[in-house]
Amino acid sequence: KAGVTQTPRYLIKTRGQQVTLSCSPISGHRSVSWYQQTPGQGLQFLFEYFSETQRNKGNFPGRFSGRQFSNSRSEMNVSTLELGDSALYLCASSLDTGRGNYNEQFFGPGTRLTVL
Amino acid sequence: QQQVKQSPQSLIVQKGGISIINCAYENTAFDYFPWYQQFPGKGPALLIAIRPDVSEKKEGRFTISFNKSAKQFSLHIMDSQPGDSATYFCAASYWVTGNQFYFGTGTSLTVIP
Repeated sequence: KAGVTQTPRYLIKTRGQQVTLSCSPISGHRSVSWYQQTPGQGLQFLFEYFSETQRNKGNFPGRFSGRQFSNSRSEMNVSTLELGDSALYLCASSLDTGRGNYNEQFFGPGTRLTVL
Repeated sequence: QQQVKQSPQSLIVQKGGISIINCAYENTAFDYFPWYQQFPGKGPALLIAIRPDVSEKKEGRFTISFNKSAKQFSLHIMDSQPGDSATYFCAASYWVTGNQFYFGTGTSLTVIP
């Protein structure tokens, strides 16, 4: 069974630009979550999508947005990039059998974004 | 505001020794506490998880100890091996938020042969 895939793996952008990252979850998984990982901060939750709807949202500015398609693939977009947006962006998928049931989250390898 | 605090930031252990990583939380609504292991260039992978209705869970060389009254939990790695060298993250969640997890800042473990 293929794992979570993220594209691209590496990205270099300049301040002010926008970027779109893609995540393909494990087949059958309907929940997709996004995290930002930076040294010293650990993983910070961005948002979660389930059945094409945003179900949870972390404490990030509106420049960070996402969406999920009918095949559960997800994209996240960051507009007007800032130097502080440089980070590893991780996607995680879960089978999700309902609230209160903790299904394992499977993480992808991440997209390393560098903002110059 | 970091909802889950993790220590130490880095840890060096001799092969065969015990590695101990600690986490503390404030939100008493948390009811699920997983630990993740991350190798360079890879995403985190679930190692072991515990619910607050038990005080300890063991899987092979890995044990979670949970102290509900102190709002602390820890990961013990027995007989540490060089292959255990990785970054470890504790996390917490509660049923209202479903798959939204609050992570610690990570511990970089190095096991010396």
